[in-house]
Amino acid sequence: GAGVSQSPSNKVTEKGKDVELRCDPISGHTALYWYRQSLGQGLEFLIYFQGNSAPDKSGLPSDRFSAERTGGSVSTLTIQRTQQEDSAVYLCASSLFGGAATDTQYFGPGTRLTVL
Amino acid sequence: SQELEQSPQSLIVQEGKNLTINCTSSKTLYGLYWYKQKYGEGLIFLMMLQKGGEEKSHEKITAKLDEKKQQSSLHITASQPSHAGIYLCGADGRPSYGKLTFGQGTILTVHP
Repeated sequence: GAGVSQSPSNKVTEKGKDVELRCDPISGHTALYWYRQSLGQGLEFLIYFQGNSAPDKSGLPSDRFSAERTGGSVSTLTIQRTQQEDSAVYLCASSLFGGAATDTQYFGPGTRLTVL
Repeated sequence: SQELEQSPQSLIVQEGKNLTINCTSSKTLYGLYWYKQKYGEGLIFLMMLQKGGEEKSHEKITAKLDEKKQQSSLHITASQPSHAGIYLCGADGRPSYGKLTFGQGTILTVHP
């Protein structure tokens, strides 16, 4: 079946602009995760949605970052007033149930964000 | 918070050689994941280990979990150029959460 898809694959923006990144999880997966991968920091957790529960936003680096998940499926990560340090690859993952260390997360191809 | 240390950071081998990548955790491991990443392709799931002493294999890749040492190893037998990429270990230090912490990755180059 189809895996996790993300769009756009690449995004170049100017400093100060807002951007939206989209994630389509695997059909039937109730948990969705956003991570960020950058040269200096490696792969970092950002936010986690599980079913209808309130999302875990503990990894969001600032209040410029927000995410929503509509209808328990598609998710959008929004970065407002982008800064150059936001440049990174943003990865989305989904898992069947969430809430368990052994529930495998499957990743999308990522969105490469470049802030000029 | 949990930290994962991978070694080596990079590895260059000749095709056909065996190699091992290690991942050591600062805390108890409840689920240890191995992923492979190639440029522009996101993370590809390889294996998940959850019990001490567990060993899993997929084609020429074998992963083991040593619960007491809080360590996992990934072994590739008879390496091929297709094995080249970045190998990442990820884990959650809590049994019922699912938020992963990742190691910094091991860059593998296989020369034909």
